[in-house]
Amino acid sequence: GAVVSQHPSWVICKSGTSVKIECRSLDFQATTMFWYRQFPKQSLMLMATSNEGSKATYEQGVEKDKFLINHASLTLSTLTVTSAHPEDSSFYICSAVSGGASYEQYFGPGTRLTVT
Amino acid sequence: GESVGLHLPTLSVQEGDNSIINCAYSNSASDYFIWYKQESGKGPQFIIDIRSNMDKRQGQRVTVLLNKTVKHLSLQIAATQPGDSAVYFCAEKPYKYIFGTGTRLKVLA
Repeated sequence: GAVVSQHPSWVICKSGTSVKIECRSLDFQATTMFWYRQFPKQSLMLMATSNEGSKATYEQGVEKDKFLINHASLTLSTLTVTSAHPEDSSFYICSAVSGGASYEQYFGPGTRLTVT
Repeated sequence: GESVGLHLPTLSVQEGDNSIINCAYSNSASDYFIWYKQESGKGPQFIIDIRSNMDKRQGQRVTVLLNKTVKHLSLQIAATQPGDSAVYFCAEKPYKYIFGTGTRLKVLA
């Protein structure tokens, strides 16, 4: 089946620094990738939709200048959390869709971000 | 409406029994529905999907039922096993993916 990887799987950073999370589709080309965040015992909240070669579409309430998304190729999207604060600590999950007639999205394993 | 953050409801089921997890979705325009399983510290794993032109779909040990009249989705797991313990999310897709609040399934030995 389709595999999506994320790197790093966990990261601890100091308040005020920036952190980059990578999402890669390993065995297919992803026309669209999604970024979600998930707080403990809560559901996944869509942050943004990323299409290769174009600007990401952010959900209401998500600061695009704080959460920078780059979808530079059909197999890689990155999320950069800029000037991180403790309230940005969360589980960040990406997913990828191969496009065409398939709606199915394949999820990465997630990245645990802790801001101290 | 959008999925909101709530504490997860829990369903406890005896090993070997059948489990039924329910989900109410919000958007009448949704044409695609998916059930995901999420184990602690991992990303969601696809279980089964169904399109809006169907009301039932079966997989291996799992069945999804869709009732568009009342905007209700259910996941039935037959002969529940300890490995089924996880959080289960439904998701709907009108123009984007919207996740439900999730249900924690605990399988009792």
